[in-house]
Amino acid sequence: AQTVTQSQPEMSVQEAETVTLSCTYDTSENNYYLFWYKQPPSRQMILVIRQEAYKQQNATENRFSVNFQKAAKSFSLKISDSQLGDTAMYFCAFMKPLTQGGSEKLVFGKGTKLTVNP
Amino acid sequence: NAGVTQTPKFQVLKTGQSMTLQCAQDMNHEYMSWYRQDPGMGLRLIHYSVGAGITDQGEVPNGYNVSRSTTEDFPLRLLSAAPSQTSVYFCASSHGLAGGREQYFGPGTRLTVT
Repeated sequence: AQTVTQSQPEMSVQEAETVTLSCTYDTSENNYYLFWYKQPPSRQMILVIRQEAYKQQNATENRFSVNFQKAAKSFSLKISDSQLGDTAMYFCAFMKPLTQGGSEKLVFGKGTKLTVNP
Repeated sequence: NAGVTQTPKFQVLKTGQSMTLQCAQDMNHEYMSWYRQDPGMGLRLIHYSVGAGITDQGEVPNGYNVSRSTTEDFPLRLLSAAPSQTSVYFCASSHGLAGGREQYFGPGTRLTVT
């Protein structure tokens, strides 16, 4: 079974600075997806960024980027120019898709609580 | 589109009571799932469905039932509520490959069992 580990329960960063959240995972699969989800105090789960394992290029979405190291099974999230609205819980998640013999279900890490300070 | 809707938003039950958490999506997604979120535990999969008439168990299925008679609806039934089922419950749906594997989450239901 796949497992996802987020080793930083809490982090803080000053507004406008850069922060990196860590995620490692354990799998014997070759084709899979990795995600970062954000959960602000409103409780809504919001997709931040996704990475397909067969793509070597790291995914980027505006101020959010990932460092995907497939051999090391590492998937960190970098937030640049941090904003107050980035304050939230961040969850790393793994998926083996249905088309690869999986089930589309997400396996989540326990989350990192990020606070952006003014 | 309303996206993924869940009712109720909050619920208090007594031990032994039963209830159904409702989940509906209007995006014609074939894949739907239920997660529970407990402090310090992240989200854990309860049950999921890859299409109407097809359901399967996730990581923590005990005490819950599901059915999927239509593409739109995926209710979660608590058969006999226990304090250990106090949690926040999220329903999610996705279009699989056609939707880039993105799962859309409902707003959640906070359930307290006393």
